[in-house]
Amino acid sequence: EIVLTQSPGTLSLSPGERATLSCRASQSVSSSYLAWYQQKPGQPPRLLMYGASTRATGIPDRFSGSGSGTDFTLTISRLESEDFAVYYCQQYGSSPPITFGQGTRLEIK
Amino acid sequence: QVQLVQSGAEVKKPGASVKVSCKASGYNFNGYPTHWVRQAPGQSLEYMGWINAASGNTGYSQKFQGRVTITSDTSASTAYMELTSLISEDTAVYYCARLSFRGFDSWGQGTLVTVSS
Repeated sequence: EIVLTQSPGTLSLSPGERATLSCRASQSVSSSYLAWYQQKPGQPPRLLMYGASTRATGIPDRFSGSGSGTDFTLTISRLESEDFAVYYCQQYGSSPPITFGQGTRLEIK
Repeated sequence: QVQLVQSGAEVKKPGASVKVSCKASGYNFNGYPTHWVRQAPGQSLEYMGWINAASGNTGYSQKFQGRVTITSDTSASTAYMELTSLISEDTAVYYCARLSFRGFDSWGQGTLVTVSS
């Protein structure tokens, strides 16, 4: 099973700042099958990014993804109020099982 | 539009079973595997398993092997997840999701299952 470790656990930033979220895998993950999700309280996760760097439909261009192998990054260039949420990375190339990271909570400073 | 609609909240006693449904619409249900994920209160997402409705093939996370059964009714475009021998730690929101090459690109609204004596 591929273990995904996200850091930091919590990130405290202000609107307008840049956020950098990390996802590290215990073994190499195909970039084609690395996704990021955003989850707000009481809602299901929403797909943000797939293939490590491709934005899902309707996702604004302040979100970007990068990385390969075992190290992946989600960057939000200029935080807006609606971006404060929990973010999860996921690998879905090695199945079963598909695995998720433990999440990064992005909170308003 | 693509939509997954799940059944309503459940309250179960320890040792009981629960079956959650997930009705798909807006796409070819047989063309995409349906997966199940759960989330305990305040916790991360935990993967449970999947079904390919067209073939009936299933796969389960080892943690739930022997306790979870995922089935489907293609005529109703509906997937089901049954979890048996419930314990308090199974209290969680259970989600179904559609897997495409993009990942889980559509999710159900979630079903809260509460296990309490």
